[in-house]
Amino acid sequence: QKEVEQNSGPLSVPEGAIASLNCTYSDRGSQSFFWYRQYSGKSPELIMFIYSNGDKEDGRFTAQLNKASQYVSLLIRDSQPSDSATYLCAVPQAGTALIFGKGTTLSVSS
Amino acid sequence: KAGVTQTPRYLIKTRGQQVTLSCSPISGHRSVSWYQQTPGQGLQFLFEYFSETQRNKGNFPGRFSGRQFSNSRSEMNVSTLELGDSALYLCASSFGQGLYEQFFGPGTRLTVL
Repeated sequence: QKEVEQNSGPLSVPEGAIASLNCTYSDRGSQSFFWYRQYSGKSPELIMFIYSNGDKEDGRFTAQLNKASQYVSLLIRDSQPSDSATYLCAVPQAGTALIFGKGTTLSVSS
Repeated sequence: KAGVTQTPRYLIKTRGQQVTLSCSPISGHRSVSWYQQTPGQGLQFLFEYFSETQRNKGNFPGRFSGRQFSNSRSEMNVSTLELGDSALYLCASSFGQGLYEQFFGPGTRLTVL
């Protein structure tokens, strides 16, 4: 059974700082990774996915993969109070089924 | 384009009852997955349907079941409700199987008393 681990936080950063969120995965064969953002009382929304062939940047978000240590990072540059949410890391299990970590709560203070 | 819709949004049931939740995917999406979210266990995969067939199933007891109709709408049923079934049930739709983006609905909040 694949597992995904995340530090529950909260991770607190000041506005404008870089927030670094990490998740570790158990299956060395995992090839793709997803980051979802979930605001309180809302459903998750996809913000980034990467394949095992490299890092990915999208605006203020960068996802980095360290295959040797089996962890994935999400960096948020120039953090804004609107980035305050729970960030969920996920890996595919089979088909479209995803195995999620329990999420890291990010708090950005202005 | 309309998003994923789930009905009802809130439900209160008592132990031993059964409940049926409904999910309408985004138009054109054929894959529907169901997840349970609780504060303790986080977001856990229940099952996935594609073209009216269950393709994958998570590690949940047989009290949890589902189905998908020819119009891709899906229902999940939980029989003999237990207190621990209180959770947010989320439905996600995607265009197909595999690495397609999943779009989550707003969820159904089930409370079992």
